[in-house]
Amino acid sequence: EVQLVETGGGLVQPGRSLKLSCVASGFTFNNYWMSWTRQAPGKGLEWVASITNSGGSTYYPDSVKGRFTISRDNAQNTLYLQMNSLRSEDTATYYCTRDGVWGQGVMVTVSS
Amino acid sequence: DIVMTQGALPNPVPSGESASITCQSSKSLLHSNGKTYLNWYLQRPGQSPQLLIYWMSTRASGVSDRFSGSGSGTDFTLKISSVEAEDVGVYYCQQFLEYPLTFGSGTKLEIK
Repeated sequence: EVQLVETGGGLVQPGRSLKLSCVASGFTFNNYWMSWTRQAPGKGLEWVASITNSGGSTYYPDSVKGRFTISRDNAQNTLYLQMNSLRSEDTATYYCTRDGVWGQGVMVTVSS
Repeated sequence: DIVMTQGALPNPVPSGESASITCQSSKSLLHSNGKTYLNWYLQRPGQSPQLLIYWMSTRASGVSDRFSGSGSGTDFTLKISSVEAEDVGVYYCQQFLEYPLTFGSGTKLEIK
């Protein structure tokens, strides 16, 4: 069974950093591009970052470019999202995704 | 950026009737390879989004044949024939033709 399990969320102060992890199982991780998508409370879906299967290329929307970094460890079947200079508008549930498969999500709250 | 605009439903929809959700893109999603780069998702209350349709009209694995997708390069429709209680939630269209990946704002379905 294909599974994506996110961890690392929590409460963080504005301007601080947080790193999310996503452990993948049930498929050959290094064959797939991976992404992070977020959803602010009561709002819609917003794509946050994508990475190629090798990790050689990454993509971001302007809203997080320069602050967030997506990376992966194919040996550990793990996807990461390093989030720096966090803002209140980054408060959301963050989902790890692959080709239409979504994890259960992890909540990140940015507040003082 | 490609803007995705979704229409509303005349909620609540009587159980057993059909419902059509519209989505319009600001740029054609039809690629030169003949594929249309549009997904449809359902997010049930309290759950992660679930992929329903990809390539505009291909049902994802395990998705009921009551769901069908159609459209042109910029105008799309998700049709649910004979709606059931389990169809309640918010439906999103998403383009994956180019970065940044973008979603529609969502269409809520309620059942009577």
